[in-house]
Amino acid sequence: EDQVTQSPEALRLQEGESSSLNCSYTVSGLRGLFWYRQDPGKGPEFLFTLYSAGEEKEKERLKATLTKKESFLHITAPKPEDSATYLCAVQEGTYNTDKLIFGTGTRLQVFP
Amino acid sequence: DTGVSQDPRHKITKRGQNVTFRCDPISEHNRLYWYRQTLGQGPEFLTYFQNEAQLEKSRLLSDRFSAERPKGSFSTLEIQRTEQGDSAMYLCASSFLQTETGELFFGEGSRLTVL
Repeated sequence: EDQVTQSPEALRLQEGESSSLNCSYTVSGLRGLFWYRQDPGKGPEFLFTLYSAGEEKEKERLKATLTKKESFLHITAPKPEDSATYLCAVQEGTYNTDKLIFGTGTRLQVFP
Repeated sequence: DTGVSQDPRHKITKRGQNVTFRCDPISEHNRLYWYRQTLGQGPEFLTYFQNEAQLEKSRLLSDRFSAERPKGSFSTLEIQRTEQGDSAMYLCASSFLQTETGELFFGEGSRLTVL
């Protein structure tokens, strides 16, 4: 069964303290791995798509990487406005499906 | 504003009542998705439309749930005979056919509370 596991569940960082969030996945033929950000009371906001092992994407203080079994979201010198829940999702490629399978997210709090 | 719009934002209902949610996608988007999210969990896929055709439906979607997208524009999600377990945030998302299918634009959701 396709599965996405994110760790840690919650992360508290001091402003400027870099860290990484982990997303491990089990899927039948990965079609794509996606990172989203979700603020409280809002819908998720798309960040990145990764397709194959070794691929990297960057946006401001965020960098996403992908291996054959997991993805990392690296946050460099975070600011309080980076506080949010970060969701990882996969789309499997062996069946004709467009659904995303989401993990439970990592809740990030960045303190000044 | 050209984002995904959902209505109502909050709905409180009694067990056994029917509820309907509406989603207006971004105008040029021809794909529309419904997801459900409970507290502390990630969004869970319910169903997906391409234009007016419902192409995929989750096994989680019981017979009490029905979704429509007449004319390929707005969509409605109806829940009949609500149960307390239906309490959740119902999220609508849309995307353009030619973009990567995992790059979705989500609305702010419709929160359902069943008493």
